[in-house]
Amino acid sequence: AQTVTQSQPEMSVQEAETVTLSCTYDTSESDYYLFWYKQPPSRQMILVIRQEAYKQQNATENRFSVNFQKAAKSFSLKISDSQLGDAAMYFCAYRDYSGNTPLVFGKGTRLSVIA
Amino acid sequence: KAGVTQTPRYLIKTRGQQVTLSCSPISGHRSVSWYQQTPGQGLQFLFEYFSETQRNKGNFPGRFSGRQFSNSRSEMNVSTLELGDSALYLCASSLRSSGDVYTQYFGPGTRLLVL
Repeated sequence: AQTVTQSQPEMSVQEAETVTLSCTYDTSESDYYLFWYKQPPSRQMILVIRQEAYKQQNATENRFSVNFQKAAKSFSLKISDSQLGDAAMYFCAYRDYSGNTPLVFGKGTRLSVIA
Repeated sequence: KAGVTQTPRYLIKTRGQQVTLSCSPISGHRSVSWYQQTPGQGLQFLFEYFSETQRNKGNFPGRFSGRQFSNSRSEMNVSTLELGDSALYLCASSLRSSGDVYTQYFGPGTRLLVL
């Protein structure tokens, strides 16, 4: 079964600085998707960024970018110019291309942003 | 486009009662998934429906059931509530359940408290 591991339960970053959240996953599939979701105190789960495994280019969305290392099964999220509104739980998630298995989440990393 | 909506947002029940939660997906989305989120267990997958058919099911007892209607709206039901069922229940919708159009968008959740 696929698993997703987030080894950093908590992290903090100074406002305007850069922080990287780690995620590793285990799968025997070659085609799959990886996601980062953000869950602020409001509890609404918000999609931050998505990466297709067949794409070698790392996805970026404004201040958010990923470092996707397929061979190492690593998918880290970099947040640049951190803002107070970035404080939230961040979840890494995996799903294979076929959709035969559900979205698998890591346990999350709580990010604090210090003013 | 309106996002995923869930009703009710908050619910208080007593042990032994049953509860029905509702989820309306983003217009045009045909796949709906349900998750249970608790501090101890994190995000756990309940089930996924696509075109009124259950596509995947998580490891939950039979007290948890769901269905999807022809308009893609979905309901989940929990019978004989237990204290441990207290959780945030999240619904997510996607255009399809596999392939390139699979990205899940989440609703705000229903917070259930069982007394």
